[in-house]
Amino acid sequence: QVQLQESGPGLVKPSETLSLTCTVSGGSIRSYYWSWIRQSPEKGLEWIGYIFYSGSTNSNPSLKSRVTISIDTSKNQFSLKLTSLTAADSAVYYCAGYSSNWYSWFDPWGQGTLVTVSS
Amino acid sequence: EIVLTQSPGTLSLSPGERATLSCRASPSLGSSYLAWYQQKPGQAPRVLIYGASTRATGIPDRFSGSGSGTDFTLIISRLEPDDYAMYFCQQYGSLPRTFGQGTKVEIK
Repeated sequence: QVQLQESGPGLVKPSETLSLTCTVSGGSIRSYYWSWIRQSPEKGLEWIGYIFYSGSTNSNPSLKSRVTISIDTSKNQFSLKLTSLTAADSAVYYCAGYSSNWYSWFDPWGQGTLVTVSS
Repeated sequence: EIVLTQSPGTLSLSPGERATLSCRASPSLGSSYLAWYQQKPGQAPRVLIYGASTRATGIPDRFSGSGSGTDFTLIISRLEPDDYAMYFCQQYGSLPRTFGQGTKVEIK
């Protein structure tokens, strides 16, 4: 079965850029849409955006100007870059997939990685 | 953007009791593209129900979902100790994908 693992720094300074990577194992990266989702006590669960293996992407309008999602099919990885960080971006960041049927729920999920924005 | 509002915020029930969780969509989903997730502390959400009423693989039949359009319900027929957790609804019919704020099911 497909498994996901997030990696990246746990602490980032305000105004800097967050870079996270999700590694896909146990299945083809071409079989799913891949998303980033974050969770904080203040905002709850928030969808950040998705990417398909073709490179097609979309992101939440609330974050669009700061978000870049990319994919490396040769490494079975996809990545998130979030710029101009503030304390409000502190959250647990999850990567998740949903099937290549665009109308689909999130499954599987990574275990999540806690990101704290602080100087 | 579709806003999902869950109620109640917290449900305090004893083992063996029935739990009824609500998720209201505004505007209407116009479909059954709604999922329910369970989340325990320190874990990622896991899907319980998709298509508003279809149980995901391995989910016990004490979990059931219903509804369409604007009103959706998750019922846990008889609470077991493992069921005490947070529950979220999520719509996948339009972008941006959105989640409800969650209902906490706690032991009374």
